Amino acid sequence: GENVEQHPSTLSVQEGDSAVIKCTYSDSASNYFPWYKQELGKGPQLIIDIRSNVGEKKDQRIAVTLNKTAKHFSLHITETQPEDSAVYFCAARGIYNQGGKLIFGQGTELSVKP
Amino acid sequence: EAEVAQSPRYKITEKSQAVAFWCDPISGHATLYWYRQILGQGPELLVQFQDESVVDDSQLPKDRFSAERLKGVDSTLKIQPAELGDSAMYLCASRRSGTGAVNTEAFFGQGTRLTVV
Repeated sequence: GENVEQHPSTLSVQEGDSAVIKCTYSDSASNYFPWYKQELGKGPQLIIDIRSNVGEKKDQRIAVTLNKTAKHFSLHITETQPEDSAVYFCAARGIYNQGGKLIFGQGTELSVKP
Repeated sequence: EAEVAQSPRYKITEKSQAVAFWCDPISGHATLYWYRQILGQGPELLVQFQDESVVDDSQLPKDRFSAERLKGVDSTLKIQPAELGDSAMYLCASRRSGTGAVNTEAFFGQGTRLTVV
């Protein structure tokens, strides 16, 4: 089945710097890749997603890139702010073999220091 | 803004007791998921419903866990008997389309934090 690896597990940056989180997936049939932000004690919140028919998507300070050949995708956060501190999860979803279920990475705890 | 509702938010139970969680998905969402998230890890799927039917329960420990979505709307996840290793966050998520449509977002509720003592 699908496996998603996420790195790094922890990331500390200074306010204003950029943060990059990387994920790789195993199932070439996967075609939808969302990113979720989870604050302490809360459920995951979708922040951006990308479909396999595009290579990059941007929403203000957040961008996601996808390399289907290499089967990896990345989250880029620019001009980080303290409120960006949270755990970020990547996920992948396929079509036929997985029934639409999301397979999550292990998470990255991002800390933005003022 | 529509949300996935879950209750209770927190639950403490003794091992060997029964416990139940409730989820009300976003109106009109045919697909409902129950995920379990152990502290420090990503969510893992327990069961997926399409309307009232189970489409994936391969990771559900069926000797102690059960899930139902009788009218294809809200859902209940039950554990009986609870074990210490069941301590985790139980997340419910919903998605508008069914298994054949892949490009729709899944929205999560706030979760139920279960502690088994």
